[in-house]
Amino acid sequence: GENVEQHPSTLSVQEGDSAVIKCTYSDSASNYFPWYKQELGKRPQLIIDIRSNVGEKKDQRIAVTLNKTAKHFSLHITETQPEDSAVYFCAASLSGGYNKLIFGAGTRLAVHP
Amino acid sequence: NAGVTQTPKFRVLKTGQSMTLLCAQDMNHEYMYWYRQDPGMGLRLIHYSVGEGTTAKGEVPDGYNVSRLKKQNFLLGLESAAPSQTSVYFCASSSPGTGELEKLFFGSGTQLSVL
Repeated sequence: GENVEQHPSTLSVQEGDSAVIKCTYSDSASNYFPWYKQELGKRPQLIIDIRSNVGEKKDQRIAVTLNKTAKHFSLHITETQPEDSAVYFCAASLSGGYNKLIFGAGTRLAVHP
Repeated sequence: NAGVTQTPKFRVLKTGQSMTLLCAQDMNHEYMYWYRQDPGMGLRLIHYSVGEGTTAKGEVPDGYNVSRLKKQNFLLGLESAAPSQTSVYFCASSSPGTGELEKLFFGSGTQLSVL
């Protein structure tokens, strides 16, 4: 079946450093790639997304890049802050439409003051 | 505007018991989904619905049933709960289209333990 692999599973950085999370997807028909942030005990919240006709998208301190040929996409967080600490999930749209998503296993990011 | 609301928030069941999780959305979304979240496995799609009266299987549908009798509600049923169904369940909704429409909005989750 289709899958999304996400690395690393845990990431620890110092405040102010950058963090990069990488995902690889298998379904060549995937055309939508959102990233979700989930704080402890809370619901996943969309932080940024990208469609397959765009190579890069930026929103303040976060950016996402997509390499459709290699089937991988990455989340970049610059100038990390303690409030960035959370679990981050990448996802890819499943073929067949209806906005179905397949998720990566998640990355637990810890930003230390 | 409450968004996506799930009830209950917590539940403990004994093996073999049944229960229904309720999801309600007030955003007039056509599409609704049930995901389960297990440690180290991300979120996996159980069932989804693309409109009132329709349902379809996702990645892990076994042991669950769903119904969408009203557009705003999507129910997830466990007929005979098993310990393997211990998980956090999230409901989500979205709309047809791209851009803002395709974004999934999640409920706050239901933590279910099956003993």
